[in-house]
Amino acid sequence: NAGVTQTPKFRILKIGQSMTLQCAQDMNHNYMYWYRQDPGMGLKLIYYSVGAGITDKGEVPNGYNVSRSTTEDFPLRLELAAPSQTSVYFCASSPKLTGVGYGYTFGSGTRLTVV
Amino acid sequence: DAKTTQPPSMDCAEGRAANLPCNHSTISGNEYVYWYRQIHSQGPQYIIHGLKNNETNEMASLIITEDRKSSTLILPHATLRDTAVYYCIVNGGSNYKLTFGKGTLLTVNP
Repeated sequence: NAGVTQTPKFRILKIGQSMTLQCAQDMNHNYMYWYRQDPGMGLKLIYYSVGAGITDKGEVPNGYNVSRSTTEDFPLRLELAAPSQTSVYFCASSPKLTGVGYGYTFGSGTRLTVV
Repeated sequence: DAKTTQPPSMDCAEGRAANLPCNHSTISGNEYVYWYRQIHSQGPQYIIHGLKNNETNEMASLIITEDRKSSTLILPHATLRDTAVYYCIVNGGSNYKLTFGKGTLLTVNP
């Protein structure tokens, strides 16, 4: 089925470890986004990309890095994991900027715990 | 960014219409109203959006007041599977961000 695929679904990291959260979409969407959601809270934008080779920071980028080498993939890298990065991470994509009347398609999320 | 105000929670009986309100009194002329929902532990799901006119799709109807300062999402025949947090978001122009507040927790009761 077409959509946004995130891997892994669950992960436990030790403090100081690094990992990459994978996100892939097969809808040929130019725009991709990474959000995090802490318990009981709304989603906060980490990074976004408007196309291959172009990325920019969102509200909470510290401690994360992204790259966009292809239209399909938008991995999120965590360097030196900290307990504050314990959260659920959602990747999303859209064909155009949402402000012109398009909705986002979200992945099913990666639940990350840093201990 | 225009902000939205939603009640924190609502209840609805199964089979009845669920009407979820949203206030967005500072909305600008080129900003859309979007509704998403998030079923527990899942990614948010796009429901519907509108600019000025009322909209309907297979999931819901969106009623926007004439002054655009408020809107109502209507689920015509709520089922238990509609239990979720519903987010009303205002977004437009070059603003790329979807800003999610805390939304409304809709509980559909049998």
